Amino acid sequence: DAKTTQPTSMDCAEGRAANLPCNHSTISGNEYVYWYRQIHSQGPQYIIHGLKNNETNEMASLIITEDRKSSTLILPHATLRDTAVYYCIVRGKETSGSRLTFGEGTQLTVNP
Amino acid sequence: KAGVTQTPRYLIKTRGQQVTLSCSPISGHRSVSWYQQTPGQGLQFLFEYFSETQRNKGNFPGRFSGRQFSNSRSEMNVSTLELGDSALYLCASSLLLGAGRAQETQYFGPGTRLLVL
Repeated sequence: DAKTTQPTSMDCAEGRAANLPCNHSTISGNEYVYWYRQIHSQGPQYIIHGLKNNETNEMASLIITEDRKSSTLILPHATLRDTAVYYCIVRGKETSGSRLTFGEGTQLTVNP
Repeated sequence: KAGVTQTPRYLIKTRGQQVTLSCSPISGHRSVSWYQQTPGQGLQFLFEYFSETQRNKGNFPGRFSGRQFSNSRSEMNVSTLELGDSALYLCASSLLLGAGRAQETQYFGPGTRLLVL
């Protein structure tokens, strides 16, 4: 699976959009980009995933660059409850099974 | 639909003991994966079970084992506990309808926090 690079930490004001970047320059054509978040001491929560098109759901939007070497997770109106560690994961085909390889993630702190 | 459940939520053991953790996947999900999370090593994959067979294994010693039952429920066991086994143990389930399918999203349970004294 491709390696990802994320900033260690970010801050965001409550009510503003939070834009979390992720670099995955070695991603291959059949690898998906997944985003999870983990609020302190809880299990990771699935947010969104995509292959090459931009995706949106009730939680967030995922913007993937045309060359697929980077992506951005957007939380449109961040709240205090969005404070968490956000993980960007590139996941390969069935050869890796259901294994998810977590990096260090980005600690997002939403400030009042 | 109920999420992934794990029992117990908290556990205290002493070195040398063994422990069994349980995971019930989301109804209809057939794949169960286990992860260990520690402050030093982060989230690490332990193993994955599908149709009662171990499909994938991470880089952990043989003291860590698991199994899956016909109803897809899974247990993991750690024998001869060491202080370093203190961690949050997470279970995740996914549909995994079969080889060749597009990626199946994994959903995590709340975890079991194990403290080894």
